[in-house]
Amino acid sequence: QQQVKQSPQSLIVQKGGISIINCAYENTAFDYFPWYQQFPGKGPALLIAIRPDVSEKKEGRFTISFNKSAKQFSLHIMDSQPGDSATYFCAARRTSGSRLTFGEGTQLTVNP
Amino acid sequence: NAGVTQTPKFRVLKTGQSMTLLCAQDMNHEYMYWYRQDPGMGLRLIHYSVGEGTTAKGEVPDGYNVSRLKKQNFLLGLESAAPSQTSVYFCASRPGTSKGDTQYFGPGTRLTVL
Repeated sequence: QQQVKQSPQSLIVQKGGISIINCAYENTAFDYFPWYQQFPGKGPALLIAIRPDVSEKKEGRFTISFNKSAKQFSLHIMDSQPGDSATYFCAARRTSGSRLTFGEGTQLTVNP
Repeated sequence: NAGVTQTPKFRVLKTGQSMTLLCAQDMNHEYMYWYRQDPGMGLRLIHYSVGEGTTAKGEVPDGYNVSRLKKQNFLLGLESAAPSQTSVYFCASRPGTSKGDTQYFGPGTRLTVL
């Protein structure tokens, strides 16, 4: 049972454009939503995370938008750069839980 | 601080062989995790541990065993490898509930089972 659905599976964006990756979750007990970034040959690393008490969180060019009623959240990368080319995973967890549930991943390619 | 390290980086096994993957962390983290990563399937949790001497099953535990005899180490064992276990395996650690949410991942082990 996939509790976190991520789309698209792959995304190609031109340099300077906006990259948007979407995730939807089922479990209403989830209340911590991180995004991880993974470069080829490396392990994933935390990029940005949000809790549902806010609808948006911004760190530099990266923004998470959160819609609690729709049970959806998305990652926006502004002014996308070739160095942003990586695989991005959304995830979700209950505050009291110890396990993350990951989405399927999105392979982002930013063309120069 | 080396963070999370994994040994070995690559391994090729024949069907039916056994092996152990070692994960070590030097951050004094309570929680440790083993994931497998397959194309289009994201990261799937195999087993995890919430403290020294404890282990628990994740989403895909069949065919794997784990042990956490020391806080800093988390071992993943394959008793009789199968081609379906060909994957990239990642270990991760986290401080523990109320001490931090971030999971820190190792560099991965690429395993091929022929």
